[in-house]
Amino acid sequence: QITLKESGPPLVRPTQTLTLTCTFSGFSLSTNGVGVGWVRQPPGKALEWLALIYWDDDKRYSPSLRRRLTITKDTSKNQVVLTMTDMDPVDTATYFCAHGLRSFDWSFDFWGQGTLVTVSS
Amino acid sequence: DIQMTQSPSSLSASVGDRVTITCRASQSINNDLNWYLQKPGKAPKLLIYAASSLQSGVPSRFSGSGSGTDFTLTISSLQPEDFATYYCQQSFRTWTFGLGTKVEVK
Repeated sequence: QITLKESGPPLVRPTQTLTLTCTFSGFSLSTNGVGVGWVRQPPGKALEWLALIYWDDDKRYSPSLRRRLTITKDTSKNQVVLTMTDMDPVDTATYFCAHGLRSFDWSFDFWGQGTLVTVSS
Repeated sequence: DIQMTQSPSSLSASVGDRVTITCRASQSINNDLNWYLQKPGKAPKLLIYAASSLQSGVPSRFSGSGSGTDFTLTISSLQPEDFATYYCQQSFRTWTFGLGTKVEVK
């Protein structure tokens, strides 16, 4: 059974760096064809893909946020970490991590429950 | 970037109705198109991947079609639990979501 859970601070000050951790179980991020991605959703708005890390440590970032994002993995801990620098109130959102599979056309078949991050002074 | 345009942005329907949602990509994405359902306060749920493949456990009243730039999600007979927001997502080149279609009670 695949599960994912996001953790991180609920409140971040403007200009600070956000660090989010996705802790997962039920799969290994060293298995060929597996990835873990991050998606966010501002209150009342649409989903926005942020980043994804593949089993082989290759990484992809949203072009509009690339300069602010870093995604890493710790396979031994079953964790993926996303950092976002220079946070702004417009970054207030629920942040989700999700499991991606090449055999499912790189769709996201399992998701965490999400964690709400508010950016405010 | 590949842009995804969903229509309509919202629709009103009744239980038993046939519902169709469309998604258009700004360039050809082959069949790399996925559909999700999201209810308020919950994570999205994968319904369809690769344009027309039904995710395990998803009722057969959901179906997807299309290739290239134009795609459709159809719910053959809307059920009470289907009132939600639906998103398309391309996975051809990185990932992009559409802005969503909210299916409301008529």
